[in-house]
Amino acid sequence: DSGVTQTPKHLITATGQRVTLRCSPRSGDLSVYWYQQSLDQGLQFLIQYYNGEERAKGNILERFSAQQFPDLHSELNLSSLELGDSALYFCASSVERLAGVYNEQFFGPGTRLTVL
Amino acid sequence: AQSVTQLDSHVSVSEGTPVLLRCNYSSSYSPSLFWYVQHPNKGLQLLLKYTSAATLVKGINGFEAEFKKSETSFHLTKPSAHMSDAAEYFCVVSEARNTNAGKSTFGDGTTLTVKP
Repeated sequence: DSGVTQTPKHLITATGQRVTLRCSPRSGDLSVYWYQQSLDQGLQFLIQYYNGEERAKGNILERFSAQQFPDLHSELNLSSLELGDSALYFCASSVERLAGVYNEQFFGPGTRLTVL
Repeated sequence: AQSVTQLDSHVSVSEGTPVLLRCNYSSSYSPSLFWYVQHPNKGLQLLLKYTSAATLVKGINGFEAEFKKSETSFHLTKPSAHMSDAAEYFCVVSEARNTNAGKSTFGDGTTLTVKP
């Protein structure tokens, strides 16, 4: 158990809908990352938040957005869903308190999104 | 800019024989390097990490990796494969630079199959 929790575990929805995925980082971790994993594109970095602020952006679509709240939990919002958005969405967290040192990420179990 | 290449998409070994998963990286700065393992329908788990200390890094479950700057490689090895090692393995590179956070780049993954 990594200490990172994600809800829900599974989500089935229809095209055009909007969903929200939730992530609670490990206690004390300030950074939260979101990843998308699909069979055709592999593991793709979406976005990172550090202590409530957006820190880095990857291959995140404009239909997707995220935020990190004062209690450090994070939500990933996916809207106008398409069939191709079906994937495993992972959240990870890390401490990242040491300047110049990259700390390892701890991954949650993922949310499996199926768009029908 | 940084990049990572996992040279084999699939590796198959017999139980009890050595494992070698190859990873080459490219980085403009001193990188941090990681290996993660993902078992089916699970999140990623950190196996080991290199952050500019000893070049031979020992991880969990008997895995180790050697950082070779001249060859820009960070290959993962294990002397004797176990059936439970069957999983997907990801090599990750990150440039910490002068900030507390670094954007990480994941390799495409290597699927390890262990035959009885």
